[in-house]
Amino acid sequence: NAGVTQTPKFQVLKTGQSMTLQCAQDMNHEYMSWYRQDPGMGLRLIHYSVGAGITDQGEVPNGYNVSRSTTEDFPLRLLSAAPSQTSVYFCATKRGSPGTLNTGELFFGEGSRLTVL
Amino acid sequence: GEDVEQSLFLSVREGDSSVINCTYTDSSSTYLYWYKQEPGAGLQLLTYIFSNMDMKQDQRLTVLLNKKDKHLSLRIADTQTGDSAIYFCTYGGGATNKLIFGTGTLLAVQP
Repeated sequence: NAGVTQTPKFQVLKTGQSMTLQCAQDMNHEYMSWYRQDPGMGLRLIHYSVGAGITDQGEVPNGYNVSRSTTEDFPLRLLSAAPSQTSVYFCATKRGSPGTLNTGELFFGEGSRLTVL
Repeated sequence: GEDVEQSLFLSVREGDSSVINCTYTDSSSTYLYWYKQEPGAGLQLLTYIFSNMDMKQDQRLTVLLNKKDKHLSLRIADTQTGDSAIYFCTYGGGATNKLIFGTGTLLAVQP
């Protein structure tokens, strides 16, 4: 019963390098999202997806790309890492829009801590 | 735009009650939520309230919602050291189905 799995848990990059943070879920949730958490800033939404083949921008999308080719996976790509992207990244999923039988609860992964030197 | 505001820090003594406050801007959400983040972990849903309710009680937790003032609060009775964590207020932001988070309130419980 894995839930939301993020890899890697820790990563150190040099400025200009590229990498992909992986997120996989086994709950068949339609909605997947990426947040970054910075001290004093709370959680800020980077990108989200309401289903396979559909992605959209959140509050802070610049410098990040996403794709959603399957229901299960939602990778976050940094094409050219910058020190400002040093942060803790969280993937979160939910079943769909809240309604009578669905509270819209978000399920979070354990986070990926990224440092860009 | 959509926004959520919380105070950054709250310190209480073990056994006292804690009250964490939150104000928000968008009133179109069906549910409003409180999430808890323990050190080094992801967030987990603590409790929620349906937007047509004023109050919800769940064991030591009481959630109050004032829709007129767009104010949400979380009261933790008999606060324990295990309640030390960051608490986030959040709600679904309008038609986009996004969840908007506040900065989080760090609750420190002194023994």
